[in-house]
Amino acid sequence: AQSVAQPEDQVNVAEGNPLTVKCTYSVSGNPYLFWYVQYPNRGLQFLLKYITGDNLVKGSYGFEAEFNKSQTSFHLKKPSALVSDSALYFCAVRRNSGNTPLVFGKGTRLSVIA
Amino acid sequence: EPEVTQTPSHQVTQMGQEVILRCVPISNHLYFYWYRQILGQKVEFLVSFYNNEISEKSEIFDDQFSVERPDGSNFTLKIRSTKLEDSAMYFCASSVRTENTEAFFGQGTRLTVV
Repeated sequence: AQSVAQPEDQVNVAEGNPLTVKCTYSVSGNPYLFWYVQYPNRGLQFLLKYITGDNLVKGSYGFEAEFNKSQTSFHLKKPSALVSDSALYFCAVRRNSGNTPLVFGKGTRLSVIA
Repeated sequence: EPEVTQTPSHQVTQMGQEVILRCVPISNHLYFYWYRQILGQKVEFLVSFYNNEISEKSEIFDDQFSVERPDGSNFTLKIRSTKLEDSAMYFCASSVRTENTEAFFGQGTRLTVV
């Protein structure tokens, strides 16, 4: 079975500082990994994905994530946080075979303080 | 930019009543999904749908739930006899393919069962 762990319920960071939102996963076989962001009263917006290739993937709004197979992690990062980045962030995994659904983590609330 | 649209944005219903949540996926997408998010909890998979049939469903998706694509554009989720614990945000999503493609989510329907 697939699962995702986001160990932090809340991450606070000062504007301009780098941010990291942690994610680890469990899946049989090779994973497809995704990050989504949810702003208040909105749906989930796709940020970035890892399918294959370079372990560092870049996505929307300056976010990037690093796939680490040995640590089964896919942490989301941004070099310089903005107040507008404050939102709920979800990591998700999908097994790389068949029409399997996305399995989400419980989410991490990012708060960027001016 | 094409988007997944959901109606209504908020539905209040009495326990035991039937509700139908509606979604219009992105037009060239072939895979459709319903997820739900109980307040403060993780996003949970309900069902995936491809080629006019259910391809996978979770244990949440019991006999009270059904999905339909009645006219080639709409994708609906029906709950036959709502329970208080069905209160949640319901998200529709669609993707061009599965596996290595991201799913695009609608803004959600907040269902409140009273």
